[in-house]
Amino acid sequence: DIVMTQTPLSLSVAIGQSASISCKSSQSLKYSDGKTYLNWVFQSPGQSPKRLIYQVSKLDSGVPDRFSGTGSETDFTLKISRVEAEDLGVYYCCQGSYSPLTFGSGTKLEIK
Amino acid sequence: EVLLQQSGAELVRPGSSVKISCKASGYTFTDYYMHWVKQRPEQGLVWIGRINPANGNTVYAEKFKSKATLTADKSSNTAYMQLSSLTSEDTATYFCTRWTYWGQGTLVTVSS
Repeated sequence: DIVMTQTPLSLSVAIGQSASISCKSSQSLKYSDGKTYLNWVFQSPGQSPKRLIYQVSKLDSGVPDRFSGTGSETDFTLKISRVEAEDLGVYYCCQGSYSPLTFGSGTKLEIK
Repeated sequence: EVLLQQSGAELVRPGSSVKISCKASGYTFTDYYMHWVKQRPEQGLVWIGRINPANGNTVYAEKFKSKATLTADKSSNTAYMQLSSLTSEDTATYFCTRWTYWGQGTLVTVSS
């Protein structure tokens, strides 16, 4: 199984500041079709998860452009610019290139 | 509007089975795989498997192959997951998801 390693496990960010989360996979996520199926999923407290980004950098509908995803092969980053109070929760990276799909352990974002 | 409506919370005895449902609306049920994800209390997300509602083909994570059975009923646009031989390790919230959309989760509590 592909292991997804996220860092940091938690971070505390002031409103208006930026946050960055790293995700590394144990092998390249570039699939045979040339696409890289790396998603970012967000879960606010007590709520269902919500996908924010798919295929490394594509924002799901309704996701503010304060969120951005970058990376390739095995190294990926989620950046949140201008953090808002509603951004508090846990962020997971998730690879969908190879079965079984696997998630990172999550990064908890707290508002300072 | 796309909705994934899951069945209610379940309290079940160790050794028993439970079947939870996920009723889809607002889109063509057979056009998208349905995935199932497990989340134990205060823990991260784990992928269980997915079903293609169009033909019933399933893919499971290895650790769930003898635990979960995924089915889909095209006539009622409903996906099901049966969990068998339940233990305390199966106490969790289970989500159905089309990735862009998620159900509200079904809490299964295994207790005598």
